[in-house]
Amino acid sequence: DAKTTQPPSMDCAEGRAANLPCNHSTISGNEYVYWYRQIHSQGPQYIIHGLKNNETNEMASLIITEDRKSSTLILPHATLRDTAVYYCIVRVTGNQFYFGTGTSLTVIP
Amino acid sequence: EAGVAQSPRYKIIEKRQSVAFWCNPISGHATLYWYQQILGQGPKLLIQFQNNGVVDDSQLPKDRFSAERLKGVDSTLKIQPAKLEDSAVYLCASSLGQGGYSNQPQHFGDGTRLSIL
Repeated sequence: DAKTTQPPSMDCAEGRAANLPCNHSTISGNEYVYWYRQIHSQGPQYIIHGLKNNETNEMASLIITEDRKSSTLILPHATLRDTAVYYCIVRVTGNQFYFGTGTSLTVIP
Repeated sequence: EAGVAQSPRYKIIEKRQSVAFWCNPISGHATLYWYQQILGQGPKLLIQFQNNGVVDDSQLPKDRFSAERLKGVDSTLKIQPAKLEDSAVYLCASSLGQGGYSNQPQHFGDGTRLSIL
């Protein structure tokens, strides 16, 4: 039901860009892609979302391929506080999210 | 803006006992969600409310779980009787979304960690 595929884990050096990929090959034309992250013992934190155009906010950038079958979340300058599980979610009807198991990102000093 | 508030933060009970969790969403958010997150897994939707009406409760184990949102604001989730497999974090989220479809993001509380002995 998750409709997205992410690598289970990734490492990134502190200060470098972290690029987290997500495949959503069955996405429909009106489904948005959302990214959340979850730090231990906290609830998921909203990062960014988009439909088909690239998006940027103060936290990250979201790059969606032209065919919309995959996307990449970019954290431009990773810090130790960015260590978390990152979820890529495709919204389905009724405003419902289906989370997968996400990517565990470890930022290394 | 205040975030989604949940209480208690932690709860330990014995199996077959009952337990209740409380959620106060972000002010003005019409839609409220309850999720269950088992250790090592992503959150799983249990129930979705639009104002004080249930939109979807297809994943809620109705023989033991119940939820209500009487005045369209706060919500409670109850488990009675609890089983060992109910040990999890129970997350509440809210969003501005109205109607059948919205691109508004959901905002989550920090959850209640439930341990069943």
